[in-house]
Amino acid sequence: EAGVTQFPSHSVIEKGQTVTLRCDPISGHDNLYWYRRVMGKEIKFLLHFVKESKQDESGMPNNRFLAERTGGTYSTLKVQPAELEDSGVYFCASSQGRGRGEETQYFGPGTRLLVL
Amino acid sequence: AQTVTQSQPEMSVQEAETVTLSCTYDTSENNYYLFWYKQPPSRQMILVIRQEAYKQQNATENRFSVNFQKAAKSFSLKISDSQLGDTAMYFCAFIHNAGNMLTFGGGTRLMVKP
Repeated sequence: EAGVTQFPSHSVIEKGQTVTLRCDPISGHDNLYWYRRVMGKEIKFLLHFVKESKQDESGMPNNRFLAERTGGTYSTLKVQPAELEDSGVYFCASSQGRGRGEETQYFGPGTRLLVL
Repeated sequence: AQTVTQSQPEMSVQEAETVTLSCTYDTSENNYYLFWYKQPPSRQMILVIRQEAYKQQNATENRFSVNFQKAAKSFSLKISDSQLGDTAMYFCAFIHNAGNMLTFGGGTRLMVKP
C-alpha cells in the first residue's frame, strides 16, 4: 500500500511568486491534514479536510494560503503571494475514520519550501 | 491549549547502547493520546510508538518503549540497543481524544555513532 506522497519535494521561489504544493493521501483515507514547520520551530497544524470539506482551518496563518481538496482525493495548498516567513517544511498527513484523536495520522515526506 | 516540550534539541549515543529522549506536556484534558514520530534524513516521518492516556501500561514496540507518567505529564522514549538507522529527528506529539490536530514538541535530533 502506497503511503502519503507529496510533490514537489523541494521548491525554491522568489518573494511574491506563487507556489502550489500537492498531497496524495493513503487510498481510502477520508481525513487529510496539512502541517508546517518553519525554521527552528515546532510542527504546527494548518487545516483538516474530511473528504472534500474543510473541517478545521484554524491553523491557516492568513489569506495568502488556500487549500483545496476537490473530489475528496488529493489536496493542494497554494501560497500566493509567497513571503520570506513562509519558508519551511510543509507536511501532509492522512487518517481513516472520523478524524479523531484515536486514529493514527500517517505523514508524507514533506515539501521543503524556500522563499528568497 | 496544549503544549509539548522536548528539552533536548540534540543527543548522541553509541551504537548498541540505550538512550532516553524526554518529553513533557501540559493539558487540562484527561483523555488523550501521545505519540513519538521519527523523521530520518530521508525525510519520511513515521510513527514509532503511541500511548493511550487511559492505559497505565507503558507501550512497547520492539526496541522502543515509553515511560508514561500521567501525573507528572511526562512521556519519555527509550531506545534500546541503538542502531545506526535510528539516527533521525524524533518528535513527541499530543492529541486530545476528540481532537483532530496533533500538537508537536520542537524535536530532538538523535545521532547514533558507530
